[in-house]
Amino acid sequence: DAGVIQSPRHEVTEMGQEVTLRCKPISGHDYLFWYRQTMMRGLELLIYFNNNVPIDDSGMPEDRFSAKMPNASFSTLKIQPSEPRDSAVYFCASSSTWDFSNTQYFGPGTRLTVL
Amino acid sequence: GQQLNQSPQSMFIQEGEDVSMNCTSSSIFNTWLWYKQDPGEGPVLLIALYKAGELTSNGRLTAQFGITRKDSFLNISASIPSDVGIYFCAGQGYSGGGADGLTFGKGTHLIIQP
Repeated sequence: DAGVIQSPRHEVTEMGQEVTLRCKPISGHDYLFWYRQTMMRGLELLIYFNNNVPIDDSGMPEDRFSAKMPNASFSTLKIQPSEPRDSAVYFCASSSTWDFSNTQYFGPGTRLTVL
Repeated sequence: GQQLNQSPQSMFIQEGEDVSMNCTSSSIFNTWLWYKQDPGEGPVLLIALYKAGELTSNGRLTAQFGITRKDSFLNISASIPSDVGIYFCAGQGYSGGGADGLTFGKGTHLIIQP
């Protein structure tokens, strides 16, 4: 069974450009989480969805960030316009209500560099 | 917001030594988890703890959920080279009927000298 899939794995862009990160959760999982990892702040929760509905977006830094989950198998995290301080590794994770352990499975991440 | 204090930040040990790291929180969590992250990869779950006082082992790893629900420790016995990596503690609460996102510690970077 494929794990959480993220694309692209690496993204280099210039300040002011729009960036779209993509995630495909594990099939059957009804929770999807977006995290950001930086040296300074560590791993931070940005937003999470349950059954495609955003539940908590309090971690989204500012209005430049938006996330959508149009269906159970796809989610996007968009940054518009991007800034150098957005440079980080962005992880997507998924979990299932039916898994007693509620284990979150992480994707390999997207390393974003904003010049 | 919730914060987790994880210590130590880094450890330099000899192969075969035991390792201990811990996390404390300013608030209560319902679940404590320990993850390991290898370079270029996402975190991978090592151990999950669901009850205050629970002590759980996974091979050479042992973790405990503190009685106060505000702390946890992870021990690794007889370290081997593949234990190198960054270890994160994470706390999870439950709001409403579902699970919350994870709050992570800053990580413990484990380096093993041959």
